[in-house]
Amino acid sequence: EIVLTQSPGTLSLSPGERATLFCRASQTVSSSYLAWFQQTPGQAPRLLIHGASNRATGIPDRFSGSGSGTDFTLTISRLETEDFAVYYCQHCGTSPWTFGQGTTVEFK
Amino acid sequence: QVQLQESGPGLVKPSQTLSLTCSVIGGSLSSGYYHWNWIRQRPGKGLEWIGNIYYTGTTNYNPSLKSRITFSVDTSKTQFSLRLSSVTAADTAVYYCARDTVTTPRALDSWGQGTLVTVSS
Repeated sequence: EIVLTQSPGTLSLSPGERATLFCRASQTVSSSYLAWFQQTPGQAPRLLIHGASNRATGIPDRFSGSGSGTDFTLTISRLETEDFAVYYCQHCGTSPWTFGQGTTVEFK
Repeated sequence: QVQLQESGPGLVKPSQTLSLTCSVIGGSLSSGYYHWNWIRQRPGKGLEWIGNIYYTGTTNYNPSLKSRITFSVDTSKTQFSLRLSSVTAADTAVYYCARDTVTTPRALDSWGQGTLVTVSS
């Protein structure tokens, strides 16, 4: 099983600031199978990034993904109020698919 | 725009079987372009992938749950289902159904709103 470790656990920032979230895999993950999700309270996760760097339909360009191998990054260039949420990385390569434990982006 | 909607009992007794159905609205289960997934989230916790099913009935289960889960698909009703047997309190969670693309880059691109299932006597 591929373990995805996200850091930091919590990011305390203000609107307008840049957020950088990390996801490290215990084994190499093909970029084609690495995704990022956003989840707000009481809502289902929303796909932000797939294929490590491709924005999903309707996702603003302030969200970007990068990385390869075992290290992946989600960057939010300028935080908007609605971006304060929990973010998960996830791989859908070899079974079982797994999620990281999440990074909470909170108001500073 | 496809929509997914979970349905089923919100309360299940310990040792019984949890059964949920996901309705696919505005789309076809048998297009061949997608797998149909179940994911759960225990209260206050992260996300756990349970497994997926293709319209042909081919399944891919999470080994941690494989002995207790059964998926099925009804293409005529555009529904797919989850059965989880011998439930305990540890199976209390919000259960989501979701679609993933067969071709790369793969991703869980559409989700239901989730349904809370509580295991309690």
